[in-house]
Amino acid sequence: AQSVTQLDSHVSVSEGTPVLLRCNYSSSYSPSLFWYVQHPNKGLQLLLKYTSAATLVKGINGFEAEFKKSETSFHLTKPSAHMSDAAEYFCVVILTSGTYKYIFGTGTRLKVLA
Amino acid sequence: EAGVAQSPRYKIIEKRQSVAFWCNPISGHATLYWYQQILGQGPKLLIQFQNNGVVDDSQLPKDRFSAERLKGVDSTLKIQPAKLEDSAVYLCASRPNDRYEQYFGPGTRLTVT
Repeated sequence: AQSVTQLDSHVSVSEGTPVLLRCNYSSSYSPSLFWYVQHPNKGLQLLLKYTSAATLVKGINGFEAEFKKSETSFHLTKPSAHMSDAAEYFCVVILTSGTYKYIFGTGTRLKVLA
Repeated sequence: EAGVAQSPRYKIIEKRQSVAFWCNPISGHATLYWYQQILGQGPKLLIQFQNNGVVDDSQLPKDRFSAERLKGVDSTLKIQPAKLEDSAVYLCASRPNDRYEQYFGPGTRLTVT
């Protein structure tokens, strides 16, 4: 069975410092993995996606993630946090056979301190 | 292109009342999803449509929830009767046939008192 684990429910960083949001996955075959962001009272927006091409994936707003098969990880990073990055972030693994169902992690709430 | 539209954005009802949510997916997207997101949790899939047929409704509480997608475009999700634990954000998403990514609407926040 496929699953994702987001290792931190809350992360706080100071503005201008690096961001690291951790995600580990479990999959019986090579997965497709996404990161979504959800700002308050907004829908989910796709940040970036890994679909078995380059292992370092660049997304919007300066975010990137690296797929590491040996560590079964897909951590989200950003070199310098901005106040507007404060939001909920979800790691998602996709069942790529049949229904393309999303399996969501429990989310990480990112707080950016001035 | 226009995004996924949902209405209403907010709804407050008393328990045992009924409520309906509406979703208009992105034009041309054959697959439509309804999710329930309880505060502090990730979205949980309720039902998935391919055109106007149901693909997966295994997590839909069918004793009180129903959904339809007439003509393979717009969709409605209904709860009757509502319970306190139905308080959540209901998200609609759609997906084109040639990509994995889902596009989400802004959601409807339901409060059951």
